[in-house]
Amino acid sequence: GAVVSQHPSWVICKSGTSVKIECRSLDFQATTMFWYRQFPKQSLMLMATSNEGSKATYEQGVEKDKFLINHASLTLSTLTVTSAHPEDSSFYICSAPGPGYNEQFFGPGTRLTVL
Amino acid sequence: GDSVTQMEGPVTLSEEAFLTINCTYTATGYPSLFWYVQYPGEGLQLLLKATKADDKGSNKGFEATYRKETTSFHLEKGSVQVSDSAVYFCALAPQGAQKLVFGQGTRLTINP
Repeated sequence: GAVVSQHPSWVICKSGTSVKIECRSLDFQATTMFWYRQFPKQSLMLMATSNEGSKATYEQGVEKDKFLINHASLTLSTLTVTSAHPEDSSFYICSAPGPGYNEQFFGPGTRLTVL
Repeated sequence: GDSVTQMEGPVTLSEEAFLTINCTYTATGYPSLFWYVQYPGEGLQLLLKATKADDKGSNKGFEATYRKETTSFHLEKGSVQVSDSAVYFCALAPQGAQKLVFGQGTRLTINP
């Protein structure tokens, strides 16, 4: 099946620094990718839709200046958490619609810890 | 807005027990419905799906039927195995959209 990778799998950073997370579709092209955030023992919340070659679409309540999304190619989307703070600590997951109808393929997630 | 409500966990069962995880949804139109599974240390994987009313999705012994009259998509398995231990997410894709709305997830533990 289609494979989505994320890098890094975990990252620890100091408060005030920026962190970039990569999401790649390894064996298919994705004009659209989705970024989710998962809090401990809670569900996945959609943060934004990443569109190749155009601006991302953010869900209500998500700060677009804090969570910068770039989808520069058909296989790569990046999420940059700018000026990270401890409340940004979370599990970030990306997904991409694979070949076929209405099936999403998920990356393994990136655990961000901000000290 | 669209939402999914899932049975609260955690759920602990013995091997070969019958499993039901309830899922109900709120959505306009005709959403597609999904069950995803997250095994320890792995990403979410699609378990099964149904795209219209009365469709039954099935995979690996799991089944769920799209019931529009009760807005439900309950997950069932007749005889669970230890290897089924994971977190299960019910989700919907709004009609005409690819993004997913997830339930809160149910952690399932199967004891030998």
